[in-house]
Amino acid sequence: KQEVTQIPAALSVPEGENLVLNCSFTDSAIYNLQWFRQDPGKGLTSLLLIQSSQREQTSGRLNASLDKSSGRSTLYIAASQPGDSATYLCAVNGFQKLVFGTGTRLLVSP
Amino acid sequence: GAVVSQHPSWVICKSGTSVKIECRSLDFQATTMFWYRQFPKQSLMLMATSNEGSKATYEQGVEKDKFLINHASLTLSTLTVTSAHPEDSSFYICSARVSSASDIQYFGAGTRLSVL
Repeated sequence: KQEVTQIPAALSVPEGENLVLNCSFTDSAIYNLQWFRQDPGKGLTSLLLIQSSQREQTSGRLNASLDKSSGRSTLYIAASQPGDSATYLCAVNGFQKLVFGTGTRLLVSP
Repeated sequence: GAVVSQHPSWVICKSGTSVKIECRSLDFQATTMFWYRQFPKQSLMLMATSNEGSKATYEQGVEKDKFLINHASLTLSTLTVTSAHPEDSSFYICSARVSSASDIQYFGAGTRLSVL
């Protein structure tokens, strides 16, 4: 059974810092991995999707990497802003089902 | 494009009543829709997968008679929480996928259910 873990569970940083969120999964037989953002009481916004054959994806200040063999992914956020404050979820796609991680709650203070 | 609308966004009901939540794909046809449940400060847990015109596939531990799912058309799936109790209070989120060839799921904004 696939298990997805995210570290840290919560992170508080001052504005402008670069930061890294970690995601690990137990079964490397995946099709892709996706990073989402969730604001309090809201649905999910897809940030980046990395196919199993890819090593990384970039969108603006966000960069996600994938090391399938070791079961790890990282989300790098450059020059963080207060508007980045949210919960970040990684989700692993295996056999057409998404298994979500426990999330990292990020607070960026001005 | 690829917008999924979920309604209502928030519902409060009395214990013992049934509540229906709708999930619509607005600008595409969804062969498959998914229903997730999220407890406070926890991650999303898949409840069931529904394919248009067939019975939903429920995850282990999810009561199919409790959580009725109907996917009667390519743009609409409904989740009915029958005889709701306070322990059913949660955040329910749906997602839709265009086809089995696509890995992309588009998510609704979620429905917060509070059972008194």
